[in-house]
Amino acid sequence: NAGVTQTPKFRVLKTGQSMTLLCAQDMNHEYMYWYRQDPGMGLRLIHYSVGEGTTAKGEVPDGYNVSRLKKQNFLLGLESAAPSQTSVYFCASSYAGNDQPQHFGDGTRLSIL
Amino acid sequence: LAKTTQPISMDSYEGQEVNITCSHNNIATNDYITWYQQFPSQGPRFIIQGYKTKVTNEVASLFIPADRKSSTLSLPRVSLSDTAVYYCLVAPNNAGNMLTFGGGTRLMVKP
Repeated sequence: NAGVTQTPKFRVLKTGQSMTLLCAQDMNHEYMYWYRQDPGMGLRLIHYSVGEGTTAKGEVPDGYNVSRLKKQNFLLGLESAAPSQTSVYFCASSYAGNDQPQHFGDGTRLSIL
Repeated sequence: LAKTTQPISMDSYEGQEVNITCSHNNIATNDYITWYQQFPSQGPRFIIQGYKTKVTNEVASLFIPADRKSSTLSLPRVSLSDTAVYYCLVAPNNAGNMLTFGGGTRLMVKP
């Protein structure tokens, strides 16, 4: 049982490049989330999904897109990377409802030059 | 969403009990209170959750007064490995509501 797996773990991009971060969970969770965490700060919600085929904007959605084509996968895309998007990205999943604990992956460290 | 306020940092020594208080004055009737722990270079980990009174598990206790405007995470007999950032979250369990992580409390446990 792997829990929440994020791919890749590290990545360096040049400004303007695009990439997709993959999150996979094997717990049959309905809800999935993407957060970013800047140095010394708390987590900020980018986008989330309450079920397959549905997505919604979080606190800081600009510059990111997401897709939830399969229940177990939640993809985060950067169409044109900017230095301000340098951060650690965390994916999480949970059973339905915010009273359910979120299970987090180990994060993706993304640097944009 | 209910806003939460926590101390930025706390220091303690091994073997002591640590209490971290979170203020959430505008908590709503259907809001739950959840605490997470985060070690460096790792994602947050669920510690405990409650709605009212007291909740205890193998890791911590959560005390919530009757007015629910604050909550206290209690860590008994901390060790060096409890050095981490602790986040208090308040949110309803309705579908579509999002959680907000504040800055958290940095706990430093000293030998």
